[in-house]
Amino acid sequence: GAVVSQHPSWVICKSGTSVKIECRSLDFQATTMFWYRQFPKQSLMLMATSNEGSKATYEQGVEKDKFLINHASLTLSTLTVTSAHPEDSSFYICSASKVVKETQYFGPGTRLLVL
Amino acid sequence: SQELEQSPQSLIVQEGKNLTINCTSSKTLYGLYWYKQKYGEGLIFLMMLQKGGEEKSHEKITAKLDEKKQQSSLHITASQPSHAGIYLCGAENAGNNRKLIWGLGTSLAVNP
Repeated sequence: GAVVSQHPSWVICKSGTSVKIECRSLDFQATTMFWYRQFPKQSLMLMATSNEGSKATYEQGVEKDKFLINHASLTLSTLTVTSAHPEDSSFYICSASKVVKETQYFGPGTRLLVL
Repeated sequence: SQELEQSPQSLIVQEGKNLTINCTSSKTLYGLYWYKQKYGEGLIFLMMLQKGGEEKSHEKITAKLDEKKQQSSLHITASQPSHAGIYLCGAENAGNNRKLIWGLGTSLAVNP
């Protein structure tokens, strides 16, 4: 149990377009989902925390208008990178936890390349 | 703010050898997680430690949290090529019980 999927796994887009990444908990209900960004050879950087039915909490330095997060149900959260630029190219990983203080289970990640 | 330091940064071992990876915190750890990441993939949960002196094992991997709850070690016995990857430790932030702070990771290569 505790499987998290992400879609797409790879996306290449032109500069200025928007990209939506989905994160789904397949066999459990996730009260909280986290979105991370990871640059090559670096650790995970938390971007935002989203709770079902409420607004996401963004980390300092993360533009909420650029990285739109929607947690519409207990099994789905989406991250939309608006007006993407080459510097947004990165590896985006989501995680989900069942209840407060529960272990985070990670998706396989989405690699975004903005040309 | 709390920081996690992992050592070594990278490690190359011969198949069959034992190895240890350390994760040291500047503050008391309230929950310490070990994950494994293969290059360009998501993270696989390995173990979670909470109590001082706690030790958990899964197959050939053993993780310990010291009594002072400021250092954890991950030990792999008789390493195999399948153990290769990046090992990340994450810790619950004492000020917020939902977010994890992360070490920079230890890259492990196992030569057959």
